[in-house]
Amino acid sequence: AQSVSQHNHHVILSEAASLELGCNYSYGGTVNLFWYVQYPGQHLQLLLKYFSGDPLVKGIKGFEAEFIKSKFSFNLRKPSVQWSDTAEYFCAVNAITGTYKYIFGTGTRLKVLA
Amino acid sequence: DTEVTQTPKHLVMGMTNKKSLKCEQHMGHRAMYWYKQKAKKPPELMFVYSYEKLSINESVPSRFSPECPNSSLLNLHLHALQPEDSALYLCASSLGTSGENEQFFGPGTRLTVL
Repeated sequence: AQSVSQHNHHVILSEAASLELGCNYSYGGTVNLFWYVQYPGQHLQLLLKYFSGDPLVKGIKGFEAEFIKSKFSFNLRKPSVQWSDTAEYFCAVNAITGTYKYIFGTGTRLKVLA
Repeated sequence: DTEVTQTPKHLVMGMTNKKSLKCEQHMGHRAMYWYKQKAKKPPELMFVYSYEKLSINESVPSRFSPECPNSSLLNLHLHALQPEDSALYLCASSLGTSGENEQFFGPGTRLTVL
């Protein structure tokens, strides 16, 4: 069965620190990859997505992610975090098997200290 | 309009009540989804509608009954729920059912079953 792992459950950073959140999935075929963010009290929003092409994708608010196929990873990065980045981050994978089912990772709670 | 709206925002119901959750989108999306999200957990897929037809039921108990009256509306009818069904219920929509289509999420209905 497919699964998505996010190893960092809670991350605390100071403003201006760099961020990297890990995401690994288990599926040997072609996948679509997503990072969603859920700010406190708000709905899930798409940060970025990868379907094909350049494995380094840029999203909104200065976030980027790199797809490394050999490592089954899609890590999220931001060079300098802000207090407003405090949120929960979910990695999601959709395996191209004819279904449109997202498998979400368990999420990472990020707290940025001002 | 890139919004998915959900009503009500909060719902408290007893185990013998019948209630409904409503979801609406006006983006012309033809796929709509219900997810259940428990505290500190990722969203779990419940149902998928594609072109107003139920295409995926993730073995959800029959006390949850989805309905898609038209391409813009999605309902979730609730009856004889259990306290463990208390959760945030999220609706999402996507342009189509291809895995490349990002899903747009609503803010959710926070359900408490007494």
